[in-house]
Parts: sequence; structure tokens; C-alpha cells
Amino acid sequence: DTGVSQDPRHKITKRGQNVTFRCDPISEHNRLYWYRQTLGQGPEFLTYFQNEAQLEKSRLLSDRFSAERPKGSFSTLEIQRTEQGDSAMYLCASSDGLAGGEQYFGPGTRLTVT
Amino acid sequence: DAKTTQPPSMDCAEGRAANLPCNHSTISGNEYVYWYRQIHSQGPQYIIHGLKNNETNEMASLIITEDRKSSTLILPHATLRDTAVYYCIVRVAGNYGGSQGNLIFGKGTKLSVKP
Repeated sequence: DTGVSQDPRHKITKRGQNVTFRCDPISEHNRLYWYRQTLGQGPEFLTYFQNEAQLEKSRLLSDRFSAERPKGSFSTLEIQRTEQGDSAMYLCASSDGLAGGEQYFGPGTRLTVT
Repeated sequence: DAKTTQPPSMDCAEGRAANLPCNHSTISGNEYVYWYRQIHSQGPQYIIHGLKNNETNEMASLIITEDRKSSTLILPHATLRDTAVYYCIVRVAGNYGGSQGNLIFGKGTKLSVKP
């Protein structure tokens, strides 16, 4: 069973640097989601893709954030000019978009901006 | 999506049933109740979902009141590994377009299973 994988699992970066995270969804899933979770809070939606199309972006996704899913398979989330407030767990999930539509989450990438 | 209300924390003795309540008084007719849980430092895990009938799977049972304004997740024999934050979410299910893709998480209920 190859579930959702994310890389790296942990990233420490200095303020102002750019970082990129990767998500590999479950292979037959056409929907891919990005969420952000800060300490003590539930995950917050950032954006989602159906195949390669980015269909929705949250207001949380500032212009420093960009996500891509170029071939409808893996996705990347890039944060430019990181700020300390970007420190969080970044979660990726995928679903098949069919009835039920449960999302399967990866282990997350924990970002620390110093 | 409708909002949900859950108690912030609950304790349960190992081996006993854990009953986690959720209020969703503004749920719409086409919205399902979903439950996810998140064990410390892991991604959320899907548990179960339902519309109006009670549902059971290998992990849990979901009891939805007749008026659909509240529900209860039941873990029949809680173990220490069930210690986690449990999230109750209501949303439209199925193959849909538009903006109904994302899950809206609250703060959930932190369940502590004690030996």
C-alpha cells in the first residue's frame, strides 16, 4: 500500500529563504489538497487540484505561496521569502473525488523558519 | 460547510467504549458527517462518514440523530493507540465540482485513553 508521501519530513530554514515541498498522492487519485496546520489548531485548507488544474485557493495562500501539479501526479508547494509566521506543518491529501470522497493524508512536512 | 461543535477533551479507560459527541445543528440536507483523527505528529486519518443512517466499519460506529443535528462516534473498545484528536466535519460528499473539495477542521476533541 503506497499511501500519500511527502518530502522532506522536516525543514529548517532562515527567514527570507525559499523552500519547496513535494507531495506524491495515491496513484489513482485525481484530487490533491494542501493544508497548513499550526500548533494546537486543526488543519487549514490552502489549495486543491483536480488532475493538473488548480481549482481553488484559500485566502491563506498569499502571493509568496505557489503550488503546481504539472502532470496531474505529484505536486509541489513553494514558499518564497519565508517568514517566521510560515512555521507550521504542511499537509498533503489526495482523494479519488468519487462518492464518499474521503481524503487520505500524508505525514506532513514540518517547516521551521528561524 | 456547516460548523460543528465538539468538547475540547475527553478521557476514556482502556478497553471501555469511547463516545465522542458532535453538534452540527445547521447541517444541510446534502451534507455528510465525516470523522477524522490525528495522532500526534501524524497526518489526519479518515475514520468513517454517514448521511443519516448509522454506519459501522472496522474502526468505529457512527450514530446520527434522526434530526441530523448531532452525532456520536463510538470506539467500542478503546486502546492506548486511540489517543488522538478527533475531528467531526460536515460537508457535501460525492463527485462535485466547484469549491466543495476541502475539509474544514475545527479544533476537535482530544481523546486520552488511560490504562
